[in-house]
Amino acid sequence: GAVVSQHPSWVICKSGTSVKIECRSLDFQATTMFWYRQFPKQSLMLMATSNEGSKATYEQGVEKDKFLINHASLTLSTLTVTSAHPEDSSFYICSAPDRGSSYEQYFGPGTRLTVT
Amino acid sequence: QKEVEQDPGPLSVPEGAIVSLNCTYSNSAFQYFMWYRQYSRKGPELLMYTYSSGNKEDGRFTAQVDKSSKYISLFIRDSQPSDSATYLCAVSGSARQLTFGSGTQLTVLP
Repeated sequence: GAVVSQHPSWVICKSGTSVKIECRSLDFQATTMFWYRQFPKQSLMLMATSNEGSKATYEQGVEKDKFLINHASLTLSTLTVTSAHPEDSSFYICSAPDRGSSYEQYFGPGTRLTVT
Repeated sequence: QKEVEQDPGPLSVPEGAIVSLNCTYSNSAFQYFMWYRQYSRKGPELLMYTYSSGNKEDGRFTAQVDKSSKYISLFIRDSQPSDSATYLCAVSGSARQLTFGSGTQLTVLP
């Protein structure tokens, strides 16, 4: 199946700094990518839908000025957590839908963010 | 009320047991029903997919959807220690956005 990668897999940063997480579709093009956040022992919560060439769509309660999303190409979407705080520590996962399928999505391996 | 409810467990069974995992959902507009398996600190991987009501079998795994009661199930036969993971149900309408259940942590004891 198709592969989605994320970088970095784990990052530790100090409170107040910004962190960028990359999501890449390695062998297919993705005009849309989804960003999820998962707290320990909780489910994946959709944060935003990233659209190539246009603005991202954010879910209710997600601060768009804090979680900046850029979908610069058909294979790359980035999530930047600005002015990170300890409560932003979480597991961030991206996914990209299969353009030929009405349901299939390929998930990245996730990025663990720890803010100290 | 959450859109998708799933018993978080944890669930612990002996090897060889039949495992039953369940979710309920509230929005009748959902058409696609998936089960994902997630190992610790990894992204979820698709196990089973069902469109509308019905059953689907794949090896030791069987997925069931009952749209009339808004109930979805995953059965694992002859469970193995390697099946130990968190199992997430997910539902989707036409927008491809997935809504996940909270996940059930399963441990299969050798």
